[in-house]
Amino acid sequence: DIQMTQSPSSLSASVGDRVTITCRASQSISSYLNWYQQKPGKAPKLLIYAASSLQSGVPSRFSGSGSGTDFTLTISSLQPEDFATYYCQQSYSLPVTFGQGTRLEIK
Amino acid sequence: EVQLVESGGGLVQPGGSLRLSCAASGFTFSSYDMHWVRQATGKGLEWVSAIGTAGDPYYPGSVKGRFTISRENAKNSLYLQMNSLRAGDTAVYYCARSGGIAAPLDYWGQGTLVTVSS
Repeated sequence: DIQMTQSPSSLSASVGDRVTITCRASQSISSYLNWYQQKPGKAPKLLIYAASSLQSGVPSRFSGSGSGTDFTLTISSLQPEDFATYYCQQSYSLPVTFGQGTRLEIK
Repeated sequence: EVQLVESGGGLVQPGGSLRLSCAASGFTFSSYDMHWVRQATGKGLEWVSAIGTAGDPYYPGSVKGRFTISRENAKNSLYLQMNSLRAGDTAVYYCARSGGIAAPLDYWGQGTLVTVSS
């Protein structure tokens, strides 16, 4: 199975900050990397697919980059509604696997 | 509007069985692969199973032989039959759709809680 490792596990930031979350795969997954946002008590929401493509309706302050084994999710200017948990997921091969999550908290 | 609505969760004893359902609407159900993903309280996301448009099932080792995924396209419905349940299966179970087995999960249901406890 492909292991996905996110860092950091938690992060404190302020509104307006630029934030970067990293995801590393245990083997190359090309660009088969997706990012999700989850708020408490809610289902995950797809933000970025294929490493860098913005899902329809997602604000442009979210961006993704990377290929192979190393990927990043960047939020250019944090908004109050962005405080949530973020997960990366590889869809290169089964079983589908997720990172452990990064909890983004208000400083 | 795409909607996925799970049902069938509840309390079950260890070793028991439960069948989850997911009712889909707002899209051509038969054209999409479907998945089940679970999340234990306070934990991360774990993929549980998937089924292709042709009905081909996929499972991780943790549930293979105990869980069975199926779909009924005429009813726009996805199912998860869970047998030999263990305490470690306690979680919120989400159904989600994807445009292919290697595609992202672009819509998710709200989840249904399964609690395995005596």
